Amino acid sequence: QQQVKQSPQSLIVQKGGISIINCAYENTAFDYFPWYQQFPGKGPALLIAIRPDVSEKKEGRFTISFNKSAKQFSLHIMDSQPGDSATYFCAASRQGGATNKLIFGTGTLLAVQP
Amino acid sequence: EAGVTQFPSHSVIEKGQTVTLRCDPISGHDNLYWYRRVMGKEIKFLLHFVKESKQDESGMPNNRFLAERTGGTYSTLKVQPAELEDSGVYFCASSRRWGLLNTGELFFGEGSRLTVL
Repeated sequence: QQQVKQSPQSLIVQKGGISIINCAYENTAFDYFPWYQQFPGKGPALLIAIRPDVSEKKEGRFTISFNKSAKQFSLHIMDSQPGDSATYFCAASRQGGATNKLIFGTGTLLAVQP
Repeated sequence: EAGVTQFPSHSVIEKGQTVTLRCDPISGHDNLYWYRRVMGKEIKFLLHFVKESKQDESGMPNNRFLAERTGGTYSTLKVQPAELEDSGVYFCASSRRWGLLNTGELFFGEGSRLTVL
């Protein structure tokens, strides 16, 4: 049973375009939703995160949109650049418990063409 | 500040052999997690240490996997005997612990790629 479903599996975007990656979760107890960015040969690194008390969070060209009722959240990368080419993972966790283990999606391989 | 370091970066072993992966978390991080990613699939949780204690080991696949965290510092993950399905990238991550809450950002190492032939 996959608790966090991510799509698409891969994405090709032209430079300057908008990249959109979607995630859906099952557990309504989740209250922390981060996105991680991973470059080849490196570990995942936190990109941006949101909590369910807000519907949108923006940091530079990266925006998370959150729909609590639909149990969905998405990452938008505006003005996509070749340097954004990486694998993106959405995740979810329940903070404040004994363990806030992150439950990850399957990842999206983004390629931004120049 | 040094990041999370993992060793080895890549290990190729034959089925039935033993492999030990090591993780050195960021200094001062009480939380230490092990995750695994099999090609094309999600990064899957294996277990969580708080200092030297196992807080949650619900993700450990079976008793062929043994994780330890001596003195609450570095951690090792031993696979014995290794099977073909154990192949994947094993990530270690660490974070600060704020009282009873675990709200610190998770910092990942670069991973140890395990190939079992």
